[in-house]
Amino acid sequence: QKEVEQDPGPLSVPEGAIVSLNCTYSNSAFQYFMWYRQYSRKGPELLMYTYSSGNKEDGRFTAQVDKSSKYISLFIRDSQPSDSATYLCAMSDTGRRALTFGSGTRLQVQP
Amino acid sequence: DADVTQTPRNRITKTGKRIMLECSQTKGHDRMYWYRQDPGLGLRLIYYSFDVKDINKGEISDGYSVSRQAQAKFSLSLESAIPNQTALYFCATSDPRTGRARETQYFGPGTRLLVL
Repeated sequence: QKEVEQDPGPLSVPEGAIVSLNCTYSNSAFQYFMWYRQYSRKGPELLMYTYSSGNKEDGRFTAQVDKSSKYISLFIRDSQPSDSATYLCAMSDTGRRALTFGSGTRLQVQP
Repeated sequence: DADVTQTPRNRITKTGKRIMLECSQTKGHDRMYWYRQDPGLGLRLIYYSFDVKDINKGEISDGYSVSRQAQAKFSLSLESAIPNQTALYFCATSDPRTGRARETQYFGPGTRLLVL
């Protein structure tokens, strides 16, 4: 079983929809949670970062962490065609030696 | 100019050949990483280095080796390439003292490798 599970999609939604992306994990030592966005033929870029449990909001994006359920989510409000990309969750423990990535969810927002 | 560069961007090679992928960065970061990305498997860590004298194996280091020639340069070698090493390879850097988050990694544009 992988340490981090992520539904690969693809997920196709109409413009303006609310998108929910999720990851589950098995390592209870993970404390730092991130979402990276990767456009086609590009390297991933950090989108959201959360430490421990709770919510963080940045514009149209909200990241949630529920450590009791080992579940993290990324919500995108008023989705735009420019949000079409692959979204990868990533996490690390307090030792912070390296990140463990999910497999990525491909999102397509239809105009 | 890009902060993290990778050469070559695309490479086709034959089974059994030795190949080197190079990564350079101008961000001044001490930490550098090599990942491979395969469809459905996400990013998997091959090797990472926290400074010039520190080299660590990642999740999938078999068949690969690395060299940290300087703070700014981190090379990945496939000693004898095989077809299942066909993948997209990314180099990344980080510095826990800077960035939006201490664990932020900055990725290069990737090298697409095909082993025939």
